[in-house]
Amino acid sequence: AQSVSQHNHHVILSEAASLELGCNYSYGGTVNLFWYVQYPGQHLQLLLKYFSGDPLVKGIKGFEAEFIKSKFSFNLRKPSVQWSDTAEYFCAVNAGGGSYIPTFGRGTSLIVHP
Amino acid sequence: DAGVIQSPRHEVTEMGQEVTLRCKPISGHNSLFWYRQTMMRGLELLIYFNNNVPIDDSGMPEDRFSAKMPNASFSTLKIQPSEPRDSAVYFCASSQDRGQPQHFGDGTRLSIL
Repeated sequence: AQSVSQHNHHVILSEAASLELGCNYSYGGTVNLFWYVQYPGQHLQLLLKYFSGDPLVKGIKGFEAEFIKSKFSFNLRKPSVQWSDTAEYFCAVNAGGGSYIPTFGRGTSLIVHP
Repeated sequence: DAGVIQSPRHEVTEMGQEVTLRCKPISGHNSLFWYRQTMMRGLELLIYFNNNVPIDDSGMPEDRFSAKMPNASFSTLKIQPSEPRDSAVYFCASSQDRGQPQHFGDGTRLSIL
């Protein structure tokens, strides 16, 4: 069975700091990878996705993620965070070639101080 | 463009009562998911439908939980009888097809007293 691990449970940054959130998954086959964001009191929204092609994907609001197949990783980055980026971030994996059951990580809570 | 619509937004009821949560997926989406979110356990997948057929219900906690999808535009999640430990936010999500990004509803905040 596939699993997703997000290493950072809580991250606190000041505005303009750089951000990197780790995500590792365990599945040996083809995967679709996602990052979702959940702002306080709201539902999850898609930030970015990777299916194939260029392993560096760009999403909304200046976020990007890099798929490193050899490391089974899909880390999320942003060069300069803003107070409005305060939210919960979830990494998710769909194992391809099968039932595509989605698996979410436990989430990382990001607090950005103004 | 209407997103995933869930009702009710909030539900407060006493333990032992039946609770029914409703979801209308985005038109044209053929995959539907029910999740439960709590502080302790994070986001848990309860059940996943594809073309109205349950594909995986291994996340359904116990027999008190049941889910149906009678047609492509409607799904219900029922808890009977409800217990205080069922208190959580329940999200419904849909996707255009298997493996595609999910679109989440606003959730139902359920409190069982």
